[in-house]
Amino acid sequence: QKEVEQNSGPLSVPEGAIASLNCTYSDRGSQSFFWYRQYSGKSPELIMFIYSNGDKEDGRFTAQLNKASQYVSLLIRDSQPSDSATYLCAGPMDTGRRALTFGSGTRLQVQP
Amino acid sequence: DTGVSQNPRHKITKRGQNVTFRCDPISEHNRLYWYRQTLGQGPEFLTYFQNEAQLEKSRLLSDRFSAERPKGSFSTLEIQRTEQGDSAMYLCASSPPGVAGQNEQFFGPGTRLTVL
Repeated sequence: QKEVEQNSGPLSVPEGAIASLNCTYSDRGSQSFFWYRQYSGKSPELIMFIYSNGDKEDGRFTAQLNKASQYVSLLIRDSQPSDSATYLCAGPMDTGRRALTFGSGTRLQVQP
Repeated sequence: DTGVSQNPRHKITKRGQNVTFRCDPISEHNRLYWYRQTLGQGPEFLTYFQNEAQLEKSRLLSDRFSAERPKGSFSTLEIQRTEQGDSAMYLCASSPPGVAGQNEQFFGPGTRLTVL
């Protein structure tokens, strides 16, 4: 079973800066990763997914996957106070399985 | 609202009682998942249905837990003889048909269970 690890934070960045969130995983066979945003007391919201090595951009968000280093990251450009939340990284529990395993999340604080 | 819905949103019960939660997935999604989340942790997988078939169960799912999806639409999760350690947020997610590697899961608002 794959393990996904994240730094719990908090990661504090000033408004307008780039926030960089990182995740490492144990399974070299992993093909897909998901980033969820979770506000306090709410459920996780899917914000990005990436299925291949390299970068994927969507608005202010960029997901980066480096399979050789077993590393996936999420960049948030022009950070806003409304981006303050916990960001969860997730991937399939095992190759071919649909159940996801989640990291414990990184708390991001964007200072106005 | 066409998202995943869950009921009830909150449930307070006494230890030893049975509770049942309901999840209605996004209408065109044939896959449905249950997760459990405790404070400071990411969601932990409990079980997965494809249509009405329960295809995966976590070892976290003790025999006090049972889940059903009888017609391949909504699902129920029942916990019998609740214990204080069952207190958590129970999350339901659904995903559309597709290959295993492309598996975007969309979560409902969750049911927060408190066992006294």
